[in-house]
Amino acid sequence: DTAVSQTPKYLVTQMGNDKSIKCEQNLGHDTMYWYKQDSKKFLKIMFSYNNKELIINETVPNRFSPKSPDKAHLNLHINSLELGDSAVYFCASSQVRRGQTRGYTFGSGTRLTVV
Amino acid sequence: AQSVTQPDIHITVSEGASLELRCNYSYGATPYLFWYVQSPGQGLQLLLKYFSGDTLVQGIKGFEAEFKRSQSSFNLRKPSVHWSDAAEYFCAVGFTSGTYKYIFGTGTRLKVLA
Repeated sequence: DTAVSQTPKYLVTQMGNDKSIKCEQNLGHDTMYWYKQDSKKFLKIMFSYNNKELIINETVPNRFSPKSPDKAHLNLHINSLELGDSAVYFCASSQVRRGQTRGYTFGSGTRLTVV
Repeated sequence: AQSVTQPDIHITVSEGASLELRCNYSYGATPYLFWYVQSPGQGLQLLLKYFSGDTLVQGIKGFEAEFKRSQSSFNLRKPSVHWSDAAEYFCAVGFTSGTYKYIFGTGTRLKVLA
């Protein structure tokens, strides 16, 4: 199926650990994103990559490091996890034309719980 | 500054009733406008979008939205709500301000009474 798939769906880990979330899209889109959704459902952009190049890097702790090995993959690595990192992380992709996107396709999310 | 507002945090309607979810934006020109739905435990799904042309746009699942430039609004409507429509709804705007930006509203949670 054509989709944005991210793994794992659930991640429970202790404070101080390092973890990664993987994302892959087979839609042929050139731009991928990571969003964080907090407990109040607020969606905040974290990173955006266009053809493997970082184009958006919002105010995110440098414990968060995205990696895009190719334009179909965008992984998120988090070092030294903190309680406040608990949230749902969404990967998304889109095709950008003339500087605009016509809508995102989202993955189903990774619920991260730091204990 | 550019922004998008969804004034209603929660809305409750009875099954079969009509629905309107509000979305207002602040931007000097006409942005690209979107509505997404998020079912529990799921990612966001694009319902519909407006770029230009006819101000009434049709989307999936029987939803429609109307762009009103004079009110800077893009409200989502459905004539008859089904219990399966219970979800979180997000309005989003895309615009160019130096670089391309895409902002989500804070969401409206829809509850449907049987």
